[in-house]
Amino acid sequence: ETGVTQSPTHLIKTRGQQVTLRCSSQSGHNTVSWYQQALGQGPQFIFQYYREEENGRGNFPPRFSGLQFPNYSSELNVNALELDDSALYLCASSPTGTGEGGTDTQYFGPGTRLTVL
Amino acid sequence: AQTVTQSQPEMSVQEAETVTLSCTYDTSESNYYLFWYKQPPSRQMILVIRQEAYKQQNATENRFSVNFQKAAKSFSLKISDSQLGDTAMYFCAFMKHDYQLIWGAGTKLIIKP
Repeated sequence: ETGVTQSPTHLIKTRGQQVTLRCSSQSGHNTVSWYQQALGQGPQFIFQYYREEENGRGNFPPRFSGLQFPNYSSELNVNALELDDSALYLCASSPTGTGEGGTDTQYFGPGTRLTVL
Repeated sequence: AQTVTQSQPEMSVQEAETVTLSCTYDTSESNYYLFWYKQPPSRQMILVIRQEAYKQQNATENRFSVNFQKAAKSFSLKISDSQLGDTAMYFCAFMKHDYQLIWGAGTKLIIKP
């Protein structure tokens, strides 16, 4: 069973640029969540996608946007990059349903380290 | 709003010792989930243990167990027979009905040989 994968591993951008981060969910999982983890802090929820629809959003501005595709993979897009966007971006997938191993349990990818100069 | 507090920024124990990491949370929800995740230097967030709030029995996974005190809103993690591979950041996280994880700031755990 393939786990959650993310690409790229590392990325360096300059202020004002746009970036797209990618995530492939674990086989059988239809829900993808994105988190931003600044250095030395816990992750912050950005948004969640369920069956190609946004299913909740954290306190992030509209320049953070996402997509989920029919195969349940997902993209995180950030426009007009700012220095404070430098962080580790984590993607997590979860399966349908509740209970042990259900929708409530999220499985994470290795993350994408974004540096904005 | 829900909050999660981990009051120990860093802990250090000798290999084979037992260590307990603390976590408290604040919520008005009655049904929710609590998690401990481990993040080693490789950065990948790894699920350690999961607890459903409506279950009174404390969750256990091999050397890892929790002490869940719902009234006190406390959720501590006990690691028995600690191993060098347990060295990592440990995050406590809360999830309510909308399936968003709310995280603590983490505890850096160092296991010394």
